[in-house]
Amino acid sequence: QKEVEQNSGPLSVPEGAIASLNCTYSDRGSQSFFWYRQYSGKSPELIMFIYSNGDKEDGRFTAQLNKASQYVSLLIRDSQPSDSATYLCAVGGAQKLVFGQGTRLTINP
Amino acid sequence: NAGVTQTPKFRILKIGQSMTLQCTQDMNHNYMYWYRQDPGMGLKLIYYSVGAGITDKGEVPNGYNVSRSTTEDFPLRLELAAPSQTSVYFCASSPGGPVPDTQYFGPGTRLTVL
Repeated sequence: QKEVEQNSGPLSVPEGAIASLNCTYSDRGSQSFFWYRQYSGKSPELIMFIYSNGDKEDGRFTAQLNKASQYVSLLIRDSQPSDSATYLCAVGGAQKLVFGQGTRLTINP
Repeated sequence: NAGVTQTPKFRILKIGQSMTLQCTQDMNHNYMYWYRQDPGMGLKLIYYSVGAGITDKGEVPNGYNVSRSTTEDFPLRLELAAPSQTSVYFCASSPGGPVPDTQYFGPGTRLTVL
């Protein structure tokens, strides 16, 4: 059974600080890695994807991938109250994505 | 483009009833997926399709059926509804390819079985 593990939280971060979200996966053959944001009662929306080892930055968001350690992370800089949501890590292999259970993030003003 | 649309938005079923959840995408994506999401949990894959006429089971297929007669539509059929099928159901689509690509989600159907 291919697994994706996330700390379910809740993770509470002060406004303006850096939020760090982590994810580990079990399948070494995984090829693509995604972070989705899901607001309460809404559908998941893509934040970032990363395919290669290292960092990928997009605005306030940075995704980090370490395939040797089977570890993916998402950093959110200058956290805003609008970043309060559940963040889902998804790992791709064999035409499908496997999702983690999500980390609930709360940004405190 | 409307993206991925799902109907209905909400539905209450009695135990033993059947229903079809509709999903349509207008992005000409080859791949389509059905997930369920229980409260506080991640997404569990029910069924997926890599093209018209091709479907395959996901992690939790029992109690469900699918068909894919066109590129656009991917309905999910629930036979003999059970309380364990109370969940939020999401349909998603993806362009597809050799490396799993971004999936785009519909708004979801909230189903309650009483």
